[in-house]
Amino acid sequence: AQSVTQLGSHVSVSEGALVLLRCNYSSSVPPYLFWYVQYPNQGLQLLLKYTTGATLVKGINGFEAEFKKSETSFHLTKPSAHMSDAAEYFCAVSDQAGTALIFGKGTTLSVSS
Amino acid sequence: GAVVSQHPSRVICKSGTSVKIECRSLDFQATTMFWYRQFPKQSLMLMATSNEGSKATYEQGVEKDKFLINHASLTLSTLTVTSAHPEDSSFYICSAAQGVKDNEQFFGPGTRLTVL
Repeated sequence: AQSVTQLGSHVSVSEGALVLLRCNYSSSVPPYLFWYVQYPNQGLQLLLKYTTGATLVKGINGFEAEFKKSETSFHLTKPSAHMSDAAEYFCAVSDQAGTALIFGKGTTLSVSS
Repeated sequence: GAVVSQHPSRVICKSGTSVKIECRSLDFQATTMFWYRQFPKQSLMLMATSNEGSKATYEQGVEKDKFLINHASLTLSTLTVTSAHPEDSSFYICSAAQGVKDNEQFFGPGTRLTVL
């Protein structure tokens, strides 16, 4: 069975600082991996995804993530945080095309000035 | 990009009434739609998977007679919460898959249900 673990339910950074949100997954087959962002009372917006190919994936708003099979990780990073990055971030995994996503519990990112 | 809408965005109802939530793919045909529920400060939990023209597949612990799902066309799926109770109050989010490529799903903006 697949699962996703997001370490740290709440991460706080200063504006301009590095953002690192951790995600580890378990899957018996090569996974599809996703990061989504959710603003209050809104749906989910896709930041980036890994399917096959290059393990370093670049997404929107300056975010990127690296798929590390040996570590079963897909951590999300951004070199310099903006105030507008404050939101809830979800890592998700699926093992087959056309199937539902399994979500982690989410990480709340706070950005202070 | 692919757009998914949900209607209504917010609904308040009395206990015992039924509420219908619509999920539409606006600019693509969705072979599969998924319904998730999100409680405050928690993650999304899959409720059911809906394929056009067939019965929905419900996750363990989700009552199919309480949460009726209809996927009548390739652009519309509906979730009806029957005889709603306060514990059904939640944020309901649908997603639609255009196909199997990359397994990308497009999420609706969600529906906030409050049962009094």
